[in-house]
Amino acid sequence: QPQVQESGPGLVKPSETLSLTCSVSGVSFTSGNYYWDWIRQSPGKGLEWIGSVHYSGTTYYNPSLESRVIISIDTSKNQFSLKLSSVAAADTAVYYCARATIPAAGGPVMYSWFAPWGQGTLVTVSS
Amino acid sequence: DIQMTQSPSSLSSSVGDRVTVTCRASQRIGIYLNWYQQSPGKAPKLLIYSASNLQSGVPSRFSGSGSGTDFTLTISSLQPEDFATYYCQQSYSTPFTFGQGTRLDNK
Repeated sequence: QPQVQESGPGLVKPSETLSLTCSVSGVSFTSGNYYWDWIRQSPGKGLEWIGSVHYSGTTYYNPSLESRVIISIDTSKNQFSLKLSSVAAADTAVYYCARATIPAAGGPVMYSWFAPWGQGTLVTVSS
Repeated sequence: DIQMTQSPSSLSSSVGDRVTVTCRASQRIGIYLNWYQQSPGKAPKLLIYSASNLQSGVPSRFSGSGSGTDFTLTISSLQPEDFATYYCQQSYSTPFTFGQGTRLDNK
């Protein structure tokens, strides 16, 4: 069964960079059928899609976060990562990683669906 | 961005009831609508993808329908484990967006 699992600090200071890693197991990480995504959930904004990365390096980002986000992939470690810079209290949320399956191998991330999700990790931005 | 609006925001039902949740998109999205279930303290779980396709392992009492702008999630006979929050999500275009959620609780 495919599994994804988030890891990283639970507390980040304002103006610093949030860094999280997602470890993937039980599935071919380099399959053209998948993108690898970050999604966050906060009480104020609900579920918010952050962005996607393909093993080829193709990325898609939410324009609302794009100036601060980098999602990268390390196929040798079966991991992908999120970096969010210049964080503020509004970035406090539970961060999830998830696999996005696309209907046509090698295609764009559109038309995809998220499964499985990691258990989520709470990141609090506070000094 | 495409706005997703769910109704109702909350719903009280009993075991055995038939339940329907509606999701409306602010523009046409074809069939590219997914449904998720989230229990307290847990990650969302995929139920239905591309409007009407049941995810592997999901009970057949869950079904989805719709296209264009209007979509429906139906639970044919509510079970105790179904009391949770349900979200729709469009994957027609980025940024992908979610509905605000429908909380289903025990009457």
